[in-house]
Amino acid sequence: ETMLTQSPGTLSLSPGERATLSCRASQSVSSYLAWYQQKPGQAPRLLISAASTRATGIPDRFSGSGSGTDFTLIISRLEPEDCAVYYCHQYGSSLTFGGGTKVEIK
Amino acid sequence: QVQLVESGGGVVQPGRSLRLSCAASGFTFSSYGMHWVRQAPGKGLEWVTFIPYDGSNKYYADSVKGRFTISRDNSKNTLYLQMNSLRAEDTAVYYCAKDSGGKSGSWYHFDSWGQGALVTVSS
Repeated sequence: ETMLTQSPGTLSLSPGERATLSCRASQSVSSYLAWYQQKPGQAPRLLISAASTRATGIPDRFSGSGSGTDFTLIISRLEPEDCAVYYCHQYGSSLTFGGGTKVEIK
Repeated sequence: QVQLVESGGGVVQPGRSLRLSCAASGFTFSSYGMHWVRQAPGKGLEWVTFIPYDGSNKYYADSVKGRFTISRDNSKNTLYLQMNSLRAEDTAVYYCAKDSGGKSGSWYHFDSWGQGALVTVSS
């Protein structure tokens, strides 16, 4: 099973700052990597698929990059509504999720 | 727009059974694979099971293999999850999720999610 390790566990930043979230796979998943945002009490929402393709309606301040085993989600200018847990998900070898990164807004 | 509405959750004793349903609308249900994903209270996401658009195969996480069964009725635009021999560790919110891959027979990422159904396994 391909394990995904997300870091940091929690990120606390001010509005307007840049957030960098990391996801590392235990083996190559090529570009079969997605990112989801989950706000409290809500279902997850797709942000990024195929490592770097923004989903419909997702603001361009969200961007994804990477391939193989190392992936990054960047939120270029944090807004208060970005407060959420972010999960990476690989679908190249079975289906697994990372443990999540909680983004807090100061 | 895509809508996925889960139902059938509740409180059940260990060892008993429960069936979840997911009513789909806003897309051609019979053309897409579907998943169940769960989330234990305060925990992360765990993929549970996948069924392709035509129900030709079924795939399960090791944690539920032999106890859970996924199925679909394309005439009713409905996905099901039959859960038998339930354990305390199955307590979670269960989400149905639409696969993005269409009639590929394989899985891709999840492009739509339901709001979830809470299953609590407790005596």
